[in-house]
Amino acid sequence: LAKTTQPISMDSYEGQEVNITCSHNNIATNDYITWYQQFPSQGPRFIIQGYKTKVTNEVASLFIPADRKSSTLSLPRVSLSDTAVYYCLVGPMDSSYKLIFGSGTRLLVRP
Amino acid sequence: DADVTQTPRNRITKTGKRIMLECSQTKGHDRMYWYRQDPGLGLRLIYYSFDVKDINKGEISDGYSVSRQAQAKFSLSLESAIPNQTALYFCATSDSPGQGAREQYFGPGTRLTVT
Repeated sequence: LAKTTQPISMDSYEGQEVNITCSHNNIATNDYITWYQQFPSQGPRFIIQGYKTKVTNEVASLFIPADRKSSTLSLPRVSLSDTAVYYCLVGPMDSSYKLIFGSGTRLLVRP
Repeated sequence: DADVTQTPRNRITKTGKRIMLECSQTKGHDRMYWYRQDPGLGLRLIYYSFDVKDINKGEISDGYSVSRQAQAKFSLSLESAIPNQTALYFCATSDSPGQGAREQYFGPGTRLTVT
């Protein structure tokens, strides 16, 4: 499975847009990009998934350039409750049993 | 009610004891997983099961065993607990292939301390 690289931590303020970039240089043709959010002492929660270009849902947007070697999770107008760890995962849709989480990005949203 | 439940939520046990962590789900998913998370780190897969008759080892299965008693139940056992198995344990479920986005649904976690 493609290895991912994310910033260890990020700081932001309430109301700002936050962009977390993930590098996955060895992404395979059949790999999808998925992002999870985890609050302290809770299980991860699925945020968004995409293959190419842009995907948007009620929570976030995912931007994937044409070469797919990176992706950016965009959180619009963050609030204090968005403080969490965000994980970028890359893998084929037919082998979800091998989710590899890595250490993620710790986002701290300040008042 | 939660879709994925885990019992117990917290457990302190002594080295050498056998302990079982239980997971139940009401989502009707075929696939179930057990992960452990150590402080400041991501999750690591211990075991996974695609259906009642299918059990597979993950990346860190040594020292653990599992039982898939029914579609909705997946238990993790530590036959002889050791201190470095102190961690947060998560159960998760997912749909089978062809069911759309392959997200996993996680339980609330079990905090296990081995003294």
